[in-house]
Amino acid sequence: GNSVTQMEGPVTLSEEAFLTINCTYTATGYPSLFWYVQYPGEGLQLLLKATKADDKGSNKGFEATYRKETTSFHLEKGSVQVSDSAVYFCALSEKAGGTSYGKLTFGQGTILTVHP
Amino acid sequence: EAQVTQNPRYLITVTGKKLTVTCSQNMNHEYMSWYRQDPGLGLRQIYYSMNVEVTDKGDVPEGYKVSRKEKRNFPLILESPSPNQTSLYFCASSLSLLRETQYFGPGTRLLVL
Repeated sequence: GNSVTQMEGPVTLSEEAFLTINCTYTATGYPSLFWYVQYPGEGLQLLLKATKADDKGSNKGFEATYRKETTSFHLEKGSVQVSDSAVYFCALSEKAGGTSYGKLTFGQGTILTVHP
Repeated sequence: EAQVTQNPRYLITVTGKKLTVTCSQNMNHEYMSWYRQDPGLGLRQIYYSMNVEVTDKGDVPEGYKVSRKEKRNFPLILESPSPNQTSLYFCASSLSLLRETQYFGPGTRLLVL
């Protein structure tokens, strides 16, 4: 079956530090890959996505590149802010013939805390 | 404002007392689903619906029921809640299976004593 593995957390950084959160996946088909963010007390919001190999998703200074050869989708940001403190989830959605099965398979989440 | 709403946001109940968590979206989305979030496990899908009167099981459906009588509503029913259903529940929707981005509700935190 499909699975997503994220780096162990929590991650604690100082403001303006470089962020990497690792994500690797296992899928039998050709998945789309996502990063969702969950701010305290809120639901999940889509941060970025990539639908095919070598695509780069980007949003709010965050980036992730779909690497089929290493089955990875690592999240990066060059300079984090206190407001980036949240839980980050890597997820995949498997497709067949261009149509999504709909279900998101999530990693376990990584808690990020950024200090001033 | 386009949104997914859930009610209640917090609920404490006792074992065996039937409860319903409502979910509603105002975006005319076809696809809706329920997830539960548990520490160290991420989110796992409970049930999903591809359209009105079309529902199917996700990865962890035991102990839950759903219905989809109207396009905008997708309630989650716990007929006889047990303590292992204590969790944080999220409803999500997307325009269709071709539109993969899912929009999540704010969550319902359930405690079963």
